Amino acid sequence: IQLTQSPSFLSASVGDRVTITCRASQGISSSLAWFQQKPGKAPSLLIYGASTLQSGVPSRFSGSGSGTEFTLTISSLQPEDFATYYCLQNNSYPFTFGQGTPLQIK
Amino acid sequence: QVQLVESGGGVVQPGRSLRLSCAASTLSFINSGMHWVRQAPGKGLEWVAVISYDGREKYYADSVKGRFTISRDNSKNTLYLQMNSLRVDDTAVFYCAENLDVWGKGTTVTVSS
Repeated sequence: IQLTQSPSFLSASVGDRVTITCRASQGISSSLAWFQQKPGKAPSLLIYGASTLQSGVPSRFSGSGSGTEFTLTISSLQPEDFATYYCLQNNSYPFTFGQGTPLQIK
Repeated sequence: QVQLVESGGGVVQPGRSLRLSCAASTLSFINSGMHWVRQAPGKGLEWVAVISYDGREKYYADSVKGRFTISRDNSKNTLYLQMNSLRVDDTAVFYCAENLDVWGKGTTVTVSS
């Protein structure tokens, strides 16, 4: 299963609302997770099951979607949110990641 | 909170083998599925393999199937990745992860002649 993220790159300002989309090549129900990765660090799980917020993740992060189209929304960007975001499908093996969306400060 | 610490990375020639280890600090390890994920320099994340809590089920990415073997020793709270027939494009930081919600800091594998 291939995952395609859009946009490929995102530039935004603190306080902005941003949305990243992940499209699957076939239906995956709600078996999608979102990760945040900062340079030189391991990824960190943000959302699983397409819309369930991982414990400890700020509520400004939210996820939605099912089937083949999913979105990650950050309601009001904070300085610590500038990172690369990846989606992952865990519907069937082999699991696959999207190509990543770097989010940079405008 | 589970802590995961990878080790075993290094520089190896193409065609050679390397075994990575991932030591877990708490007993939740024995009830958890464990994954290996890698990231080539400047590239995105690539899921590599998973093993069930009891070691009975294993799945691999197509890119490593037949060359890599995932295993675990629950008596030692340790996950392994045996990597054979290494190729230059296996060069990456390798992360272990418990249920994909707890991650180690990674160990670097460089395959170069």
